[in-house]
Amino acid sequence: AQKVTQAQTEISVVEKEDVTLDCVYETRDTTYYLFWYKQPPSGELVFLIRRNSFDEQNEISGRYSWNFQKSTSSFNFTITASQVVDSAVYFCALSEARTGNQFYFGTGTSLTVIP
Amino acid sequence: DGGITQSPKYLFRKEGQNVTLSCEQNLNHDAMYWYRQDPGQGLRLIYYSQIVNDFQKGDIAEGYSVSREKKESFPLTVTSAQKNPTAFYLCASSMGVNEQFFGPGTRLTVL
Repeated sequence: AQKVTQAQTEISVVEKEDVTLDCVYETRDTTYYLFWYKQPPSGELVFLIRRNSFDEQNEISGRYSWNFQKSTSSFNFTITASQVVDSAVYFCALSEARTGNQFYFGTGTSLTVIP
Repeated sequence: DGGITQSPKYLFRKEGQNVTLSCEQNLNHDAMYWYRQDPGQGLRLIYYSQIVNDFQKGDIAEGYSVSREKKESFPLTVTSAQKNPTAFYLCASSMGVNEQFFGPGTRLTVL
């Protein structure tokens, strides 16, 4: 079974629009960690954020914000006032304490921001 | 600068040849990983190593081999047994349960 589901395969928005990328995860652990990565066309994955399961506070970093809801097992990512440079593939990932360092990645959401 | 380097960036292989992809990190991370990414797909774990001289198979280890003789190095060999090796290969490292940091990747094409 897929541990991390990113149902949106591709999204296109016009510059300056807000966009939310969905991430739903599945785990039986009480201690786990959630991550978001950005993969620009160059290919290298860039780390964006890490949350642990005990911290449900939403986080904002500039135009980026993350909404972590344990009740719905979701960790959604919103980009406000999107820019062309935001065009990339975004991956959500899960790490469980019992399996240590192993990450489970979603299949990614390809975001295109149209100027 | 601290980081992860992968070489080469592009690699071409003839069918039946083994090739080795290099991954080096100077972050002093204990754990290192190899992933494979196919077009339009997510990352699939090939092998990972949590300490020197130890490594475990990931989800798609068949046709690949690794070694971890030094903390900073985790080379991946794509053997002739790997039937469809054309893909983008990413190396990563981490410390404990913290985030993984990724290298720039190697794009392997079988001719």
